[in-house]
Amino acid sequence: QKEVEQDPGPLSVPEGAIVSLNCTYSNSAFQYFMWYRQYSRKGPELLMYTYSSGNKEDGRFTAQVDKSSKYISLFIRDSQPSDSATYLCAGEEGGYNKLIFGAGTRLAVHP
Amino acid sequence: DAGVIQSPRHEVTEMGQEVTLRCKPISGHDYLFWYRQTMMRGLELLIYFNNNVPIDDSGMPEDRFSAKMPNASFSTLKIQPSEPRDSAVYFCASSRGGVGQPQHFGDGTRLSIL
Repeated sequence: QKEVEQDPGPLSVPEGAIVSLNCTYSNSAFQYFMWYRQYSRKGPELLMYTYSSGNKEDGRFTAQVDKSSKYISLFIRDSQPSDSATYLCAGEEGGYNKLIFGAGTRLAVHP
Repeated sequence: DAGVIQSPRHEVTEMGQEVTLRCKPISGHDYLFWYRQTMMRGLELLIYFNNNVPIDDSGMPEDRFSAKMPNASFSTLKIQPSEPRDSAVYFCASSRGGVGQPQHFGDGTRLSIL
């Protein structure tokens, strides 16, 4: 079993839809959780990060962590074609600076 | 502020050849990471450095792979001899020290071994 599990998709939605991306993890020592966005032929770029359980909102994006169920979510409101990318979740044990990534979910938002 | 710079962007070479990938991290970042990304295995951490010292190389697949960081602004990942199964996109990332610091990625080197 991988430490971070993520459905690879692809996920196709119409413009304006609410998108829900999810990951589960097995390492109880994870304290930080990150979402990266990767466009085709580019490196991953940090979208959001959260510490421990709770919600964090940034514009159209909301990251949610439920440590009791080891579940990580990213919600995208009013999705745009420019959101079409692969989204990778990652967990980090505090203090080690070492990220464990999920496989990534490919998202396509069509006009 | 310049991002992480990797070279070359693409490399095509024949099996058995030596391959050297290069990375310049963001100035002031203490940590440098080398990753490999494939469709089958996703993004895998190969090795990372803190203040130019290798900390964890448990992800390096085998002895054919080696990485060095001779100074704070330069790192190399070398494969010798290369094999077709090494074909992948190799990313370098850097970050500041401290918990929860985000990693900043370069745009990768797309490696094809024929």
